[in-house]
Amino acid sequence: ETGVTQTPRHLVMGMTNKKSLKCEQHLGHNAMYWYKQSAKKPLELMFVYSLEERVENNSVPSRFSPECPNSSHLFLHLHTLQPEDSALYLCASSQNHRDRLGYTFGSGTRLTVV
Amino acid sequence: QKEVEQDPGPLSVPEGAIVSLNCTYSNSAFQYFMWYRQYSRKGPELLMYTYSSGNKEDGRFTAQVDKSSKYISLFIRDSQPSDSATYLCALRSGGYNKLIFGAGTRLAVHP
Repeated sequence: ETGVTQTPRHLVMGMTNKKSLKCEQHLGHNAMYWYKQSAKKPLELMFVYSLEERVENNSVPSRFSPECPNSSHLFLHLHTLQPEDSALYLCASSQNHRDRLGYTFGSGTRLTVV
Repeated sequence: QKEVEQDPGPLSVPEGAIVSLNCTYSNSAFQYFMWYRQYSRKGPELLMYTYSSGNKEDGRFTAQVDKSSKYISLFIRDSQPSDSATYLCALRSGGYNKLIFGAGTRLAVHP
């Protein structure tokens, strides 16, 4: 496997469920990111991790909880979500969090909250 | 005022046409300008990257930055059906690698 891999590709969950999104990168990068992409809206940066340390948290509700156990893996734990949280959740990585050449994105997890 | 404005389209053109995609921005501190391409059911992939004003060409793609007008463009020559995708502009600000994205323009190139 190469690049950035996200699982699952699709997820439907009820508002009372708890689920987790997984991201794995095989690029040797040190920084990883979670983005939310909603229809016709710009990508919203949620979290930034550098060498497993969270360096940025953009006012994301506590029902989203990230975890970065090592520089290759990133999780997004979800609980008591709202229907407006339905979106495409994208993971990305870069060489480091000051990398000026942009990110490598995964294919995303399409989340539907019912 | 949004930091980055991008017409969502959709933009529909015949094969072989020249396509012009554009973004405007408000923060004069942006120095790095990128274009990402996102196919359906895929994540965005970096297409072009430019620093400061000027043009950059890569095959059929040309990225243009006009900092005085706060206007960036992506031109696609001899467009192909395989170019059908959503194109997102992204601008870099600050010391961290924080990219500010446009909402994306959906392009359809029909045979």
